Amino acid sequence: DQQVKQNSPSLSVQEGRISILNCDYTNSMFDYFLWYKKYPAEGPTFLISISSIKDKNEDGRFTVFLNKSAKHLSLHIVPSQPGDSAVYFCAASPSYGGSQGNLIFGKGTKLSVKP
Amino acid sequence: EPEVTQTPSHQVTQMGQEVILRCVPISNHLYFYWYRQILGQKVEFLVSFYNNEISEKSEIFDDQFSVERPDGSNFTLKIRSTKLEDSAMYFCASRPGRTIANYGYTFGSGTRLTVV
Repeated sequence: DQQVKQNSPSLSVQEGRISILNCDYTNSMFDYFLWYKKYPAEGPTFLISISSIKDKNEDGRFTVFLNKSAKHLSLHIVPSQPGDSAVYFCAASPSYGGSQGNLIFGKGTKLSVKP
Repeated sequence: EPEVTQTPSHQVTQMGQEVILRCVPISNHLYFYWYRQILGQKVEFLVSFYNNEISEKSEIFDDQFSVERPDGSNFTLKIRSTKLEDSAMYFCASRPGRTIANYGYTFGSGTRLTVV
């Protein structure tokens, strides 16, 4: 039962271009969403998050968009840099109830940014 | 920058043996977690721990698993009798508080457990 889906296992973009990573979720109780970046042999690193009361959150080169009606979010990286090459995980959590703060992860998308 | 520290980085054990994975969360954090990632698969929630007790556990976290915070700094995951399918990367994580702004919690670098 995949509550958080990242349907693209990999993505390749040219340096300087935009990278768009997509994520879909099924559980209506999720109202907080996060993106993590992971390099090999390291733990996931928090990148950016968005609450369901917003539809956009921006932090430097990274912007997350949330479409609640479609249960879809995306991470935009502009401009992409070779150092952005990593696996990106989408994660979701409810903000209330016993499961608040427990993250449900997608399977990840491996981003390769070519110089 | 404060870190979550995990030891060992790699543990090889024989099937049926007990293993203890160790974590030192960030000192002023209140919520502690174990996640695991089987090779090529997604990161999966195992257990959350708050106020010296388990808050929630997943279906994966069966009777073979236990967690403990024996002192003010360590947070351990014990697997009593390891199975081949327990082979995975185990990540410890911690976060400071209950508010939504603190959901971007800090992960350790992980312990790679190999059961042979």
